[in-house]
This record gives sequence, C-alpha cells and structure tokens, in this order.
Amino acid sequence: DAKTTQPPSMDCAEGRAANLPCNHSTISGNEYVYWYRQIHSQGPQYIIHGLKNNETNEMASLIITEDRKSSTLILPHATLRDTAVYYCIVRVAKAAGNKLTFGGGTRVLVKP
Amino acid sequence: DVKVTQSSRYLVKRTGEKVFLECVQDMDHENMFWYRQDPGLGLRLIYFSYDVKMKEKGDIPEGYSVSREKKERFSLILESASTNQTSMYLCASSLTSGGLAKNIQYFGAGTRLSVL
Repeated sequence: DAKTTQPPSMDCAEGRAANLPCNHSTISGNEYVYWYRQIHSQGPQYIIHGLKNNETNEMASLIITEDRKSSTLILPHATLRDTAVYYCIVRVAKAAGNKLTFGGGTRVLVKP
Repeated sequence: DVKVTQSSRYLVKRTGEKVFLECVQDMDHENMFWYRQDPGLGLRLIYFSYDVKMKEKGDIPEGYSVSREKKERFSLILESASTNQTSMYLCASSLTSGGLAKNIQYFGAGTRLSVL
C-alpha cells in the first residue's frame, strides 16, 4: 500500500467546509484512495473512496488531482459531530484478507 | 445500512478467565475481521475469516482464537485472559464482489476490554 501523509490536526468552524488534504505521491495506477474516520471511543467509519474521478456521497466529496498524487476530502458543512480523526488510505482492491492499516490521520476539531 | 453489532461495549475480566467477544453482521458479508486498537499502535489485525469455518491468522494471533460457524457471526476467544490483552477490540466485515474485496470495511462500535 502506498504511503500517505496527512496533517496531524486542524480546526474547522461549525457550518463551514472542512478541507482535509492527503498526499500519496507514490500511488500506483491500480490503487484506490479511501477515507475513514473514527469518532472518539467508536469504531472507524467508512466515508468515501475513489480511483481517478472526483466522488461525492451524502457524507463528503473526494477530489483527486489529475496526477493522483494527492487528494482532498471535503466535508461541505461541518457539524460538531464531525469532530473525529480522519484517515486517508491508499490500496488496491484485491481478494479477501485485506487488513486495514491506519496511519496517524488528521485530528479534526469542529468548533462552534 | 450495514450493521455490525458487538455484544458488549465494556467488559471487565480477571486474569486467566476465558473471554468470548461476539460480533454479528446483517449484510451477508463474506469477510469478517477482528482487530485490536491501542494508543500509539493503531489498528492491528488479530484474525480474519473469508467464509464459514474458514479463518486466517492476522498479525497478532497469539493468545486468541476465533470461531465462525455461521456467516453472520464471528467470535473472538481469549483462551486465558492476560493484562496485556486489555484493549479496544473492533470487529469489521466486508463484501467480496466479483472476486475483489472492495476494501470497504464496516466496523462495530468496539468492545473495551479490561483484564485485571
């Protein structure tokens, strides 16, 4: 799995968009970008994933640069419940047994 | 929505006890996983299962065993609990579609186990 780099922490104002960057300069052509988050004392939660194109779902948007070396997770209107550690993961989709390995992630604090 | 349910949120056990952690998923997923999460060490895979009665060791299987008698249920067993098994235990499941896992793992809320 390609290595990812994320800022250790960031603050965001409630109601504003939160833009979370992730650097993955060694990504391979068949590797996807996945985002998870973990709210304190809860299990990780899948947010979104993408290969090349930008993706959007009910939780967030994922913007992947044309060279695929970086991406940005966008929470369009952050709420206090979005306070969590956000993890960017890059990996291939392959057969069963894929363990998830989270790096340090970005600790996001949404402030009133 | 996928639901992964872990039987307990908090457990306190004594050293030497046999401990059962249960996990049930309701989405007919083939793959199920047990992780433990410790501060500074991240997620570590204990065991996973890709089918009923099938199991594979993860990175840290010592001191643990698992059972998967039904597709929806995956149990983690601590044969003789020790204080170094105090941790947050997380169960997850995922789908294998067309031979390719989508890498989307759905997690339970976790069981915080304390071994005294």
